[in-house]
Amino acid sequence: EPEVTQTPSHQVTQMGQEVILRCVPISNHLYFYWYRQILGQKVEFLVSFYNNEISEKSEIFDDQFSVERPDGSNFTLKIRSTKLEDSAMYFCASSDQENTEAFFGQGTRLTVV
Amino acid sequence: AQSVAQPEDQVNVAEGNPLTVKCTYSVSGNPYLFWYVQYPNRGLQFLLKYITGDNLVKGSYGFEAEFNKSQTSFHLKKPSALVSDSALYFCAVRDTLYSGTYKYIFGTGTRLKVLA
Repeated sequence: EPEVTQTPSHQVTQMGQEVILRCVPISNHLYFYWYRQILGQKVEFLVSFYNNEISEKSEIFDDQFSVERPDGSNFTLKIRSTKLEDSAMYFCASSDQENTEAFFGQGTRLTVV
Repeated sequence: AQSVAQPEDQVNVAEGNPLTVKCTYSVSGNPYLFWYVQYPNRGLQFLLKYITGDNLVKGSYGFEAEFNKSQTSFHLKKPSALVSDSALYFCAVRDTLYSGTYKYIFGTGTRLKVLA
């Protein structure tokens, strides 16, 4: 069964460093997302991406964040200068149409120290 | 703006008893509604969805949900709970009114604990 894969599963970084979280969405999907979850609590929307551009972003997704789909298969989230409060589980998701469910990856646990 | 409310942080139920996890929503157009389950240290796993049609939708692992437009609710149900159903459950909505809005908005989650 096709699945969304995320790497790495766990990333520890020093405050102020840049991190790149990587995702491989399901191959025929058109809509891509990043969400984050802090301490197993609320799942927060960060950004959606469609037709090679950001379609929507939340207030959390400030200038420190960026997304790319560099090669038609990978979908990356970059955090330019990490803060302690960026520590969270980051989930990538994809869907194929507007009226279907999103499929989520297993997440990357980001720890900023 | 679209929103989802899950009024219960935790639901406890005895194994073999029916369970209900509540969800209400607010959207401007017609909603697409979803339930997901999350086991510890795992991603979100899709359970079921309502797009259109029958108000009672059936999903994975014996779960079902009832869409009630007048009450703007989409409660998750199962006739007989299993200990293995213990997990964190999220309701999500997608608004169909605004073109260009594709995001899923999640509720705060309800922890289901099934007691043996």
